[in-house]
Amino acid sequence: GAGVSQSPRYKVAKRGQDVALRCDPISGHVSLFWYQQALGQGPEFLTYFQNEAQLDKSGLPSDRFFAERPEGSVSTLKIQRTQQEDSAVYLCASSLGSGSFTDTQYFGPGTRLTVL
Amino acid sequence: QKEVEQDPGPLSVPEGAIVSLNCTYSNSAFQYFMWYRQYSRKGPELLMYTYSSGNKEDGRFTAQVDKSSKYISLFIRDSQPSDSATYLCAMGADFGNEKLTFGTGTRLTIIP
Repeated sequence: GAGVSQSPRYKVAKRGQDVALRCDPISGHVSLFWYQQALGQGPEFLTYFQNEAQLDKSGLPSDRFFAERPEGSVSTLKIQRTQQEDSAVYLCASSLGSGSFTDTQYFGPGTRLTVL
Repeated sequence: QKEVEQDPGPLSVPEGAIVSLNCTYSNSAFQYFMWYRQYSRKGPELLMYTYSSGNKEDGRFTAQVDKSSKYISLFIRDSQPSDSATYLCAMGADFGNEKLTFGTGTRLTIIP
């Protein structure tokens, strides 16, 4: 299928390590979102891109979190100096970005990050 | 207080029962409302979306929105064991172009 894909699916990091999480959105989708989902909670917004422009990064919890989408397609979420509280599932979603009432976000399977 | 409140459950019902899931919200800017289904260790899967007050039906699923009360519901008729999952309500202010705000999710188990 042509859904949103994410890699790796699982990542274990030692506290203090840097990690990079990748998202491949649905082809042709202009908008891309990153969410963080803690155990037993709903997803919480991290950041939003429209093409290569990062239009909203208000949800990034600290300056250790950085996201990019240099060519307006694939996106990478980087976490520097990981802490135990960063352990969560990181979800990527994409949408057409058309502004139409039929437009909505489609999610990937997520990357489960465990920081030891 | 969270912008979106959802009873986390867990909720267990026998197969064939009608299930009612609900969320309340406080932000009047929300214009469209979704229900996502999330199986264990999977990403959320879009189930229903609505953008106005009223009912929307799709097979065994009915989504209901009451903007005046800031209350949304999802009904599942003739529930099946395969419906066992976590159900997340989500809402947004700008179709496709802005972040979604999610509820906590309700964990549902259908007992055969």
